[in-house]
Amino acid sequence: EPEVTQTPSHQVTQMGQEVILRCVPISNHLYFYWYRQILGQKVEFLVSFYNNEISEKSEIFDDQFSVERPDGSNFTLKIRSTKLEDSAMYFCASSPERIYEQFFGPGTRLTVL
Amino acid sequence: AQSVTQLGSHVSVSEGALVLLRCNYSSSVPPYLFWYVQYPNQGLQLLLKYTSAATLVKGINGFEAEFKKSETSFHLTKPSAHMSDAAEYFCAVSAAPGGGADGLTFGKGTHLIIQP
Repeated sequence: EPEVTQTPSHQVTQMGQEVILRCVPISNHLYFYWYRQILGQKVEFLVSFYNNEISEKSEIFDDQFSVERPDGSNFTLKIRSTKLEDSAMYFCASSPERIYEQFFGPGTRLTVL
Repeated sequence: AQSVTQLGSHVSVSEGALVLLRCNYSSSVPPYLFWYVQYPNQGLQLLLKYTSAATLVKGINGFEAEFKKSETSFHLTKPSAHMSDAAEYFCAVSAAPGGGADGLTFGKGTHLIIQP
C-alpha cells in the first residue's frame, strides 16, 4: 500500500543552523501539508501546498519557514535559522484531493541544541 | 475558527472492556471530524471520519464514533478493548471534508492504555 515517507527520522542540529526536512508524498496526491507536534502538545498545522504554491499557512509558519516541491516526488520543509523552540516532531501529509482524508508520514524528530 | 478538546490525556481500560475516548469540538461552520491513531514510531493513521452523512460512523479495527451536534461531541468507542489498541488517539476537525487546503485542527491526544 502506498505511504508517505519522511527522512531523516531524527535530525539534530545546532541553534541557528538551517535544516531541510524531506517528504515523499503518495505519488498521485495533489495536496501536501506539514504539521508539527512539540513534545506533550497538540499536533499543529503549519502549511498546505497545492499546484506548486502555498494554499494556506498558520501563524506559526513565519519567514523562517519555507516549503518546496523541487521535483515530481519530494516535498520539503526548510527552517532557515533554527531556534530551540523549533524542536518538535514534524509530520508531512498528503491527500489526493480536497474531499479525501490526509495520509500522514511517520514524522521527523527535530532536536535543536 | 475551530478547536478540539480531548478529555483525559491518558485513559486506562482492561482488555475486553469498553473503550470510550472523548472529543468535543468548536466550529463556526458545519464541521468535518476525524479520529486518527498513532502507534509508537509510526505516522498518524485515519480511524474514521464524519463528513455530514450518517451520524454514527464506523471505522477500522472495530472503532466507531457518533456525531452529536447538540453536544458538539464526537466520542470514539470500541465495545471490547484489545491489547493491540494501545496507542495515541487524536481527534481533529476541519471545515472541509478532507481537511482541504486549510489543514486539520487537532486535539492534544489521548494515550490509551490496555491493562491485561
